[in-house]
Amino acid sequence: QKEVEQNSGPLSVPEGAIASLNCTYSDRGSQSFFWYRQYSGKSPELIMSIYSNGDKEDGRFTAQLNKASQYVSLLIRDSQPSDSATYLCAVNRSNYQLIWGAGTKLIIKP
Amino acid sequence: ETGVTQTPRHLVMGMTNKKSLKCEQHLGHNAMYWYKQSAKKPLELMFVYNFKEQTENNSVPSRFSPECPNSSHLFLHLHTLQPEDSALYLCASSQLLYNEQFFGPGTRLTVL
Repeated sequence: QKEVEQNSGPLSVPEGAIASLNCTYSDRGSQSFFWYRQYSGKSPELIMSIYSNGDKEDGRFTAQLNKASQYVSLLIRDSQPSDSATYLCAVNRSNYQLIWGAGTKLIIKP
Repeated sequence: ETGVTQTPRHLVMGMTNKKSLKCEQHLGHNAMYWYKQSAKKPLELMFVYNFKEQTENNSVPSRFSPECPNSSHLFLHLHTLQPEDSALYLCASSQLLYNEQFFGPGTRLTVL
């Protein structure tokens, strides 16, 4: 089992719909969780951090964390073609190492 | 300059060359990282420096040699690389070790 798992996609979502990206992790002691967006040929860009159970909203983005079930998700409301990118999930393990998922490719169709 | 900068942005080198990648962070952070990103693979952490002391070396071949003269600058010295070392090399920094990391634009390295 990978330490951080993401569906590689591609996930295709119509413009204006909600895109839902999921990430599961194996270390129950993990405390910090991050979502990054990476456009093709560019470097990762931090879009959300979440540290406690529940939802955290920032504009069109909502991060959801469920430590009991060991998953973290990212919702993108009113999806735009500019949201098309690869989304990386990163989890800070209990020994503080940051473990990265392989990413989910998201395609927003106009 | 703002954020994290990296030079050069593109580098083509032969297997016998020696070159260096440079990273500079203007965020006042204490930790700096080198990552390798190959096509279709997750980010691979190579080296970690915290307050300019190396805290991690993830079994990286000795042909990659990091240097961190201060908490704002990070170098990756390259020598006798292999074609499979061709990848995007990313530098990142964070205020706290392994917390929110901010990336530079990367160096696209091609080894011939």
